[in-house]
Amino acid sequence: KAGVTQTPRYLIKTRGQQVTLSCSPISGHRSVSWYQQTPGQGLQFLFEYFSETQRNKGNFPGRFSGRQFSNSRSEMNVSTLELGDSALYLCASSHTGVGYTFGSGTRLTVV
Amino acid sequence: AQSVAQPEDQVNVAEGNPLTVKCTYSVSGNPYLFWYVQYPNRGLQFLLKYITGDNLVKGSYGFEAEFNKSQTSFHLKKPSALVSDSALYFCAVRDMYSGGGADGLTFGKGTHLIIQP
Repeated sequence: KAGVTQTPRYLIKTRGQQVTLSCSPISGHRSVSWYQQTPGQGLQFLFEYFSETQRNKGNFPGRFSGRQFSNSRSEMNVSTLELGDSALYLCASSHTGVGYTFGSGTRLTVV
Repeated sequence: AQSVAQPEDQVNVAEGNPLTVKCTYSVSGNPYLFWYVQYPNRGLQFLLKYITGDNLVKGSYGFEAEFNKSQTSFHLKKPSALVSDSALYFCAVRDMYSGGGADGLTFGKGTHLIIQP
């Protein structure tokens, strides 16, 4: 079966712009979570959605937001981009919350 | 709060030798523990997980890990290393009862595993 699909794979944006990243989970998985990976901070939890409801949220500013649709696809949005937002953004889907399958990520570069 | 420590930034092993990548954790309750591997410019690939049951967990590509509750450790092991095992390895933890909190998976900083031919 198809894995977790993240689009786009690469993105270049200018400071101050906003960006939307997309994640399609494995069919049947209702939980989607997002992580930011940077060389300095490592992997950090952004938020988790289950059945269209945000269940958990990490320690990120309000510029980072997300949502989940009825088909379990999820989007995350970053507004007013800063240079420090440059990172690999990873999405993970889960069926039961005890096993997570990750996508290949979206590499965001802010210039 | 939950946390993970991977004390070694890099581990060097000769091909054919056994390897160990160390991980210790801290959670308030009972842990879900995971190991993932990452190759350059790729996402995370699942290796194995501990939820409950046997302390020795077997996973993908010949890897295994031992859950030690008294030492709060979950070290990754393989009896015979391959050059293709060279990658970045992450240990992760989630408190079994973390629903509703600001937790998700908490990852260690990662360990670069280098297998020398």
